[in-house]
Amino acid sequence: NAGVMQNPRHLVRRRGQEARLRCSPMKGHSHVYWYRQLPEEGLKFMVYLQKENIIDESGMPKERFSAEFPKEGPSILRIQQVVRGDSAAYFCASSHGSPTPYEQYFGPGTRLTVT
Amino acid sequence: QKEVEQNSGPLSVPEGAIASLNCTYSDRGSQSFFWYRQYSGKSPELIMSIYSNGDKEDGRFTAQLNKASQYVSLLIRDSQPSDSATYLCAVNARDDKIIFGKGTRLHILP
Repeated sequence: NAGVMQNPRHLVRRRGQEARLRCSPMKGHSHVYWYRQLPEEGLKFMVYLQKENIIDESGMPKERFSAEFPKEGPSILRIQQVVRGDSAAYFCASSHGSPTPYEQYFGPGTRLTVT
Repeated sequence: QKEVEQNSGPLSVPEGAIASLNCTYSDRGSQSFFWYRQYSGKSPELIMSIYSNGDKEDGRFTAQLNKASQYVSLLIRDSQPSDSATYLCAVNARDDKIIFGKGTRLHILP
């Protein structure tokens, strides 16, 4: 299956711990996007990355959140010192970049629960 | 503020009828438009892309785009219970992102 992969699918963290969410884009895709979705709410853009570059992080909180997409390996969304308000579904999407740069394909998501 | 607006619903449609989902967007410079389907507890799935004014058909789905009116719609013919889901309209922004609407919940009545 060459789809977007995310792991873990479910993650439980206590307040103050760190959460690391991983995303492997679809084969051939070089653009990765992270979104957060709260229950009954829409998708909120967080960050857009290409290999080794953060292109746009305007949707990501300045504190506690960081993202990377290294030359080798998956993209990582890292949340430090988690709080209850971080509980949400986090989706990763990838796109080819050309000629249809905006067609994004989503992974299954990581459901983060902060206790 | 670039926005994508959708009626949140729920939109209830009898099985076998046509479901019509609508979306308006604010950025006149947008060139790419998408419809995603999201089942409860699942991730969004891309079902249609449209780039030019007019209609684009794919099976039971037809996307319609009117850039002058900044309006995009999705028609689902012969609606099935399995079409019950939330449908997200998405539009590209000039800065390489796509902006999602909050979605319309569709309920197909058996």
